[in-house]
Amino acid sequence: EVQLVESGGGLQQPGRSLRLSCTASGFTFRDYALHWFRQAPGKGLEWVGFIRTQGYGGTTQYAASVKGRFSISRDDSKSIAYLQVNSLKTEDTAVFYCAIDSSYNGFDVWGQGTTVTVSS
Amino acid sequence: QSVLTQPPSVSGALGQRVTISCTGSSSNIGAGYDVRWYQQVQGTAPKLLLNGNDNRPSGVPDRFFGSVSGTSASLAISGLQADDEADYYCQSYDSSLGAYYVFGSGTKVTVL
Repeated sequence: EVQLVESGGGLQQPGRSLRLSCTASGFTFRDYALHWFRQAPGKGLEWVGFIRTQGYGGTTQYAASVKGRFSISRDDSKSIAYLQVNSLKTEDTAVFYCAIDSSYNGFDVWGQGTTVTVSS
Repeated sequence: QSVLTQPPSVSGALGQRVTISCTGSSSNIGAGYDVRWYQQVQGTAPKLLLNGNDNRPSGVPDRFFGSVSGTSASLAISGLQADDEADYYCQSYDSSLGAYYVFGSGTKVTVL
């Protein structure tokens, strides 16, 4: 079964850092770019950023709203992608999802999400 | 504020047809980038409903139909069913600096 599972969420204080993980199974992870999204409580979906495959240099792109504080990396040997969030703000409170576009036609595989709450 | 604008809510009776609009601009939908639609049931992850070629992934019924005209797109749901009650999001690509993948503001569909 093709699957993505996020982990690492929880309650964090403002100003701290957090690393989320996205573990893939059921497909060849290294062949796909990996995207992160977030959804604040009661709000819509927001694309956070993505990391290309090593074949395309493993480079990253980020939404303007998170550039400089968020960092995405991947470990293809473990089929895991990471989202590092630094200098957490209360407005980072959200459910974070990872997803792939397996056929260049939309994000068709999503994880179940991990909840991050930033509060003092 | 979302780059793509959707109505906050639409409603319809069982069996009726509803339409959700998605208004963009010349840097996204108007530039010819694909529009995808996602369905999100409360408390669950989004699910791809219509892909960039207006094709439905396996398992999505043909009651869902998408269209694009100029800088806008629409999702039509015919034969409304109880389990269609969910939030729906359009998504495209944006060529303006720092935007990349953009979503609509989301539309809550209520089945009366």
